[in-house]
Amino acid sequence: GDSVTQMEGPVTLSEEAFLTINCTYTATGYPSLFWYVQYPGEGLQLLLKATKADDKGSNKGFEATYRKETTSFHLEKGSVQVSDSAVYFCALNSNTGNQFYFGTGTSLTVIP
Amino acid sequence: NAGVTQTPKFRILKIGQSMTLQCAQDMNHNYMYWYRQDPGMGLKLIYYSVGAGITDKGEVPNGYNVSRSTTEDFPLRLELAAPSQTSVYFCASSRETGANVLTFGAGSRLTVL
Repeated sequence: GDSVTQMEGPVTLSEEAFLTINCTYTATGYPSLFWYVQYPGEGLQLLLKATKADDKGSNKGFEATYRKETTSFHLEKGSVQVSDSAVYFCALNSNTGNQFYFGTGTSLTVIP
Repeated sequence: NAGVTQTPKFRILKIGQSMTLQCAQDMNHNYMYWYRQDPGMGLKLIYYSVGAGITDKGEVPNGYNVSRSTTEDFPLRLELAAPSQTSVYFCASSRETGANVLTFGAGSRLTVL
């Protein structure tokens, strides 16, 4: 079945460090891929998405490229800020079913 | 623009009690979902609905029930609460499936003692 595997956390970085959170997926066909972010005490909100191979999603300095050959959608940011501290979830929708599948989440803490 | 509204935000139940978590969206979305979030476990789908009058089980439906009598509302019913149902519950909606984005509510934290 469809599934998402993402990097275990927690991750602690200093401000202005480079961030990578790995995400790989298993799906039939051509899924849509998403990164959601959850700030403390809030619900999840969309960070970025990509709907076909080689698409790059980007938002707020974050980027992720849909790599079909490696079934990956790694999240990157060149210079993190304290305000980026949150839990990040990778997710997919297979486009043939009605369900979204989420990874277990990666907690990021950025220290000044 | 309210988006997805969940009530209550917090609730403590005793074992065996019942309650309903309310979820309402004002975006005319067809698809609605209930997830539970446990520490280190990500989000698990409980139930979902593709439109009024249609519901289907997700990954972890046992101990829960849902109904979808209107497009706007998708309440989640817990019968005979158990400690294993202590969790944070999120309701979400989307216009369609596939590439469409999920809009989440702020969550309901439930503790069963």
